[in-house]
Amino acid sequence: DGGITQSPKYLFRKEGQNVTLSCEQNLNHDAMYWYRQDPGQGLRLIYYSQIVNDFQKGDIAEGYSVSREKKESFPLTVTSAQKNPTAFYLCATGGEVGNSPLHFGNGTRLTVT
Amino acid sequence: GNSVTQMEGPVTLSEEAFLTINCTYTATGYPSLFWYVQYPGEGLQLLLKATKADDKGSNKGFEATYRKETTSFHLEKGSVQVSDSAVYFCALKQNNNDMRFGAGTRLTVKP
Repeated sequence: DGGITQSPKYLFRKEGQNVTLSCEQNLNHDAMYWYRQDPGQGLRLIYYSQIVNDFQKGDIAEGYSVSREKKESFPLTVTSAQKNPTAFYLCATGGEVGNSPLHFGNGTRLTVT
Repeated sequence: GNSVTQMEGPVTLSEEAFLTINCTYTATGYPSLFWYVQYPGEGLQLLLKATKADDKGSNKGFEATYRKETTSFHLEKGSVQVSDSAVYFCALKQNNNDMRFGAGTRLTVKP
């Protein structure tokens, strides 16, 4: 989706290092989300934010942190406490109205060795 | 809680074959239902949606009908193309910020 930019596309880190994934949107959506995708497991919700300066834990928040200082930006930090951080991370926006869909960025593939 | 179950893949078809990917859901009330498609190395793109019972969503030759009596939202296409090769996700949305996804079904279409 051209309105959601995730960077970088590929990220490599050593074990024990924190790493921050960027997500920027120009769709003027209030709500933003971070999902993790692992092979054969679909998407699992890490954190979401319904409005600036507010965010909520999803199903698998342990080892992750987020901030929402601006409407356009929702960075995700993968901390050293995350036991298995290697995965494909997807940022999404929208869905504020009951039947409205989410819009996704193109993802960041994080590899931790 | 709400959940989505879709048929396991991978699914391999020849070009012009008929496609069905099964999806069933568990939810209280009346969720909205979605199909997303993911091409290699990309995010998810909305393929189609249906917001109430008996609605049919359709796009690019794909269609799915919201069946409340069988809690299903199966994806169908009459004649697949090589370019349809991707991973397909069924999803439901009950409340504003609660979208649940199936595990995904990988489709490969051979020429």
